[in-house]
Amino acid sequence: AQRVTQPEKLLSVFKGAPVELKCNYSYSGSPELFWYVQYSRQRLQLLLRHISRESIKGFTADLNKGETSFHLKKPFAQEEDSAMYYCALSGPRYSSASKIIFGSGTRLSIRP
Amino acid sequence: GAGVSQTPSNKVTEKGKYVELRCDPISGHTALYWYRQSLGQGPEFLIYFQGTGAADDSGLPNDRFFAVRPEGSVSTLKIQRTERGDSAVYLCASSLDRATGELFFGEGSRLTVL
Repeated sequence: AQRVTQPEKLLSVFKGAPVELKCNYSYSGSPELFWYVQYSRQRLQLLLRHISRESIKGFTADLNKGETSFHLKKPFAQEEDSAMYYCALSGPRYSSASKIIFGSGTRLSIRP
Repeated sequence: GAGVSQTPSNKVTEKGKYVELRCDPISGHTALYWYRQSLGQGPEFLIYFQGTGAADDSGLPNDRFFAVRPEGSVSTLKIQRTERGDSAVYLCASSLDRATGELFFGEGSRLTVL
């Protein structure tokens, strides 16, 4: 069965400190992984996806198939990074297993 | 349009009543998703449309829940005989097509069943 696990409900770090938001998944096959973010009073929006291998707002995430993880990292946290972060998973592109499922989310709080 | 639009933004109803929630996706987006989000939880998948057809409705919790998208654009989520446990924020999202994986979310419809 498909599952996304985010073990931390809340993560609080000081400004300038490194950040790592954990995400583990369960999927038999080659999934696509995403990170979505929801800033205060804004809509849920895509932050990054593993196939793009890009850095967005200083955040990166590497898909580790051996550990079935897709942790989100940023070397130096900024106050504007405070938000809810959701890890999400879907089946491969162009496959019939196309629903996108979400983890329970981690609230990131950056202290000044 | 400016983005995905959902109406109503808030709905309060009594147990046992029928409710309809509407989603107007971004023009040209062929994929449309419905999610339910309870307090402290992530979005829970309900159903996904590709065009007019439901490509995956495995997340609908029971037969009281039904969704349609007759012309491949606007979608309506219908809940019959509402129960207090149906109280949640119902989110709609659209995507240019499934392959992109980028969902554009609406602001949600908050349903409260008294």
